[in-house]
Amino acid sequence: GIQVEQSPPDLILQEGANSTLRCNFSDSVNNLQWFHQNPWGQLINLFYIPSGTKQNGRLSATTVATERYSLLYISSSQTTDSGVYFCAVEQGFQKLVFGTGTRLLVSP
Amino acid sequence: NAGVTQTPKFQVLKTGQSMTLQCAQDMNHNSMYWYRQDPGMGLRLIYYSASEGTTDKGEVPNGYNVSRLNKREFSLRLESAAPSQTSVYFCASSEPDRTIMNTEAFFGQGTRLTVV
Repeated sequence: GIQVEQSPPDLILQEGANSTLRCNFSDSVNNLQWFHQNPWGQLINLFYIPSGTKQNGRLSATTVATERYSLLYISSSQTTDSGVYFCAVEQGFQKLVFGTGTRLLVSP
Repeated sequence: NAGVTQTPKFQVLKTGQSMTLQCAQDMNHNSMYWYRQDPGMGLRLIYYSASEGTTDKGEVPNGYNVSRLNKREFSLRLESAAPSQTSVYFCASSEPDRTIMNTEAFFGQGTRLTVV
């Protein structure tokens, strides 16, 4: 099956710093989503981004489907950005396959 | 607009007990899913239902059964719980838009299940 790899696995930032999270996938996909799992375990939709670039406030994402990767940019990080960031790709219709996540800790 | 609602939020079972996890969505989505998340890992698909009346196995279906009760509700049943089923369970729904292939999925808040 398709492999989804995220890097780095862990990231520690000072508040205000910028970061880039990467998602590589091993085969062509229909769609891709980025999620933030907060410290309470809730999964929050960040981006639905099968291709191109989207921005939402301090966060933006870019997917280059032909090269099989996606990037999530976090600018001016805040402590509330802490948690785990997951990339999930759709392999076959309606089946999301998740990466193992990037654990982010933003310290004050 | 509650989105996807799961009950219960927490549950402790003894090995061999049975239970049903409930999920309901109010977004009029056709497709619903059950995932499990083990410590330090991403989510893995247990079962999904592409539409009312249909269900299919995902990556890790063994030990589980599902019922798509109606368009809103999709339940997951553990007939004889085992410690290996200790996990956090997430329900999700999506509305495949076949014209533009928009299949964005939305998740419930999760059920933390411990089997002792």
